[in-house]
Amino acid sequence: AQSVTQLGSHVSVSEGALVLLRCNYSSSVPPYLFWYVQYPNQGLQLLLKYTSAATLVKGINGFEAEFKKSETSFHLTKPSAHMSDAAEYFCAVSLSTGNQFYFGTGTSLTVIP
Amino acid sequence: EAQVTQNPRYLITVTGKKLTVTCSQNMNHEYMSWYRQDPGLGLRQIYYSMNVEVTDKGDVPEGYKVSRKEKRNFPLILESPSPNQTSLYFCASSLRWVNEQFFGPGTRLTVL
Repeated sequence: AQSVTQLGSHVSVSEGALVLLRCNYSSSVPPYLFWYVQYPNQGLQLLLKYTSAATLVKGINGFEAEFKKSETSFHLTKPSAHMSDAAEYFCAVSLSTGNQFYFGTGTSLTVIP
Repeated sequence: EAQVTQNPRYLITVTGKKLTVTCSQNMNHEYMSWYRQDPGLGLRQIYYSMNVEVTDKGDVPEGYKVSRKEKRNFPLILESPSPNQTSLYFCASSLRWVNEQFFGPGTRLTVL
């Protein structure tokens, strides 16, 4: 079975500090990788996705993620946190050989003023 | 406006009383999917559909049914709900399975 691991269910950063949310996946075939964000009482929206093109992927709101095959990781970063970044973040993986999606357990980001 | 709609948004019911949660998208998407979100477990896929009349089980299909008779609609059916199906449910759609998924606003279900 495929799996997605998000290290740290809660992350707190100061406003203006670096945001780093970790995601590791297990897959024996090339994956498609996604980061979604969920604001309170809302559905999920896509931040960025990796689909076997450039390994460094830029998304919305200043977020980016780097696919590292050797580390089976797809960590999400943002150079400078903003108060509006406070939300729940989910990493997800789908495989080139299948049609299912697997989500991580989520990381709740708190931004401290 | 391009969107995924779900109804109802909130539902409280009792064990064993059949219910249906509707999902509709207006983007002509082929792929549709249902997820449940539980604290500490993230989102888990219940069922998905690659296209009309094509559905398949996700990770947690037990106790649920789906159908895809029309491209735009993908209802989730609970024939005999139980308390362990109390959860937040999301419907999502995408042009194809590998594309960005658009999520509905969610349906909060409580089974007493």
